[in-house]
Amino acid sequence: EAGVAQSPRYKIIEKRQSVAFWCNPISGHATLYWYQQILGQGPKLLIQFQNNGVVDDSQLPKDRFSAERLKGVDSTLKIQPAKLEDSAVYLCASSLGTLMVDTEAFFGQGTRLTVV
Amino acid sequence: DQQVKQNSPSLSVQEGRISILNCDYTNSMFDYFLWYKKYPAEGPTFLISISSIKDKNEDGRFTVFLNKSAKHLSLHIVPSQPGDSAVYFCAARYTGTASKLTFGTGTRLQVTL
Repeated sequence: EAGVAQSPRYKIIEKRQSVAFWCNPISGHATLYWYQQILGQGPKLLIQFQNNGVVDDSQLPKDRFSAERLKGVDSTLKIQPAKLEDSAVYLCASSLGTLMVDTEAFFGQGTRLTVV
Repeated sequence: DQQVKQNSPSLSVQEGRISILNCDYTNSMFDYFLWYKKYPAEGPTFLISISSIKDKNEDGRFTVFLNKSAKHLSLHIVPSQPGDSAVYFCAARYTGTASKLTFGTGTRLQVTL
């Protein structure tokens, strides 16, 4: 079974530039998450999709971050414009997401973003 | 508001001995707990989980204990191996469509020879 795929693996941009990350979840997984992990901290949820609908984006800085999940499969996360404090690893994860099953989330390798 | 806390940033254990990683939580709505292991330059990988209706779950060398009254869980690794050296994250969620995984800050485990 293929895992969660993310690209690119690494990205260096200057502040005020824009950047986009892509995620392809495990086939059949209804729930998709984007997490931000700053060095030395645990992953923090930015946005959670159930199929192609947003169920939680309370911690997404909506003035600069946006995300979409077209057709309930792939997802993109965009930052525009980037700030220095956005330097982090951006992790995509997916899970079955059914109400009756407690399942784990599977993570991709992440995209390491450095804003200079 | 750190709802999941791992108060030990690092732990060093000798090969063959027991590693005990601790985690505390504050949100009483959490009913499912997970441990993830993370190697450098990789995403977290699922290790073991426990539902709040249990107090122990075992999988090979890994055992997770849950004390609901104390809002505390621990991960035991016996015997510890050098390949176990990684950062371990505790995570918690509550059942439901909109439930999300809330992570602790992680504990870096080093297993020495």
